[in-house]
Parts: sequence; structure tokens; C-alpha cells
Amino acid sequence: GQSLEQPSEVTAVEGAIVQINCTYQTSGFYGLSWYQQHDGGAPTFLSYNALDGLEETGRFSSFLSRSDSYGYLLLQELQMKDSASYFCAVPYNTDKLIFGTGTRLQVFP
Amino acid sequence: EAEVAQSPRYKITEKSQAVAFWCDPISGHATLYWYRQILGQGPELLVQFQDESVVDDSQLPKDRFSAERLKGVDSTLKIQPAELGDSAMYLCASSSRLAGTGELFFGEGSRLTVL
Repeated sequence: GQSLEQPSEVTAVEGAIVQINCTYQTSGFYGLSWYQQHDGGAPTFLSYNALDGLEETGRFSSFLSRSDSYGYLLLQELQMKDSASYFCAVPYNTDKLIFGTGTRLQVFP
Repeated sequence: EAEVAQSPRYKITEKSQAVAFWCDPISGHATLYWYRQILGQGPELLVQFQDESVVDDSQLPKDRFSAERLKGVDSTLKIQPAELGDSAMYLCASSSRLAGTGELFFGEGSRLTVL
């Protein structure tokens, strides 16, 4: 089966850097995605890593190590609006997305 | 900007009643997904459509849940009868290709409360 593990909660202050880890176990691996979800809102796509290494998009970066079955989302220059839940996800059989348990990020002033 | 539309946003019902949720995906998106999200957890796939065909409904509790996408555009998810444990957010998502690139577009969801 498929499983993805993330820390349940992370806290940080404005302006800081935070890393949210994700370890996965899948039969067949195509890539790792990250989604952001504010309370009461829809999950929104942040990034996708198909290959090892770091992908940077503005203040957010995502890293993948296929050999370690591990990835992380790095958020820099944290802002209050970054307070949300963050989910890692993997495509299964290429055509469906399996989500992790989610990490709730709280940013304090 | 194109969005996935869902209705209703909120639904309160008593157990044993029937409920229905509607989703209109982004125009041109052939793949449509219904996910269920319990508070504090990640979304769990219920059913996947490719055009009007069901591709995967292995996690759909078929004794009470049904889903259809008759013309390959909008979709309806029905629960009959509703049970207390069905209280959750029901999310619809669509994509223009298979989820191999990991990018799905989600609607705002329909929050169901069963009393």
C-alpha cells in the first residue's frame, strides 16, 4: 500500500524559515507534490518534484531524495498568511493522488 | 481564472436522510475526482472519473454512496442514507491529464454535518 508521513504540527515566527518533512512508502514512484490548505479552503497546488534535488518557487522550495523516499517543503521569510495545513502527495498508478496526513503550520508575530 | 465549482458549500442533515453534492470541473478537464476529508486529516479518494467513465471507485462505500458523471462534464455525489460518520468535507477536483504530474485543481468543497 501507499503511506506518507508528516509531522502533525510546526510552529515558527514571522520572517523565519521552516522545513516540513515527508517520508513516503509507495509501490511505484512518479513524484512528490505539495499542497497548501487554509482553514475552510480548498487545497491548492504548490509544487511537484519528479527528480532528485531542489525546486525553488519564490519563497517556497521543495526537495526530493528518491533513494531515501523523503522530501521536504521549505518556506522562507515566513508571513502570517502562510499559517495553513500543508500536505505532501504522491501519484499512484499515475492517475490518482494519495495525500499525507498533513502538517499544520502556525506562524506567530 | 477558471475554477472548480461545488455546491452546496454547507449541508446539515439528519442521519438516514439523503444528500447530494454537485461539482462542475474546469472546462476541458477530462479527469474528475471526489475526495472526502475528515477534519484534521488529508483528503481520501472516493471515486475517479475519466470523461463519463468510472476509473476507480474502490474506496467508495457503495452500499450508501453513488457518483455519476453522465455527460462527462459535471458530476453528482449522493449519500443515502447518511450516517453520523459521514460528517466531513467533500472535495471535488479536476485535472486536464492524469495525476502523474501531481497537479489537481480543487473546488472549495461541500461541508456535510450529519446530526
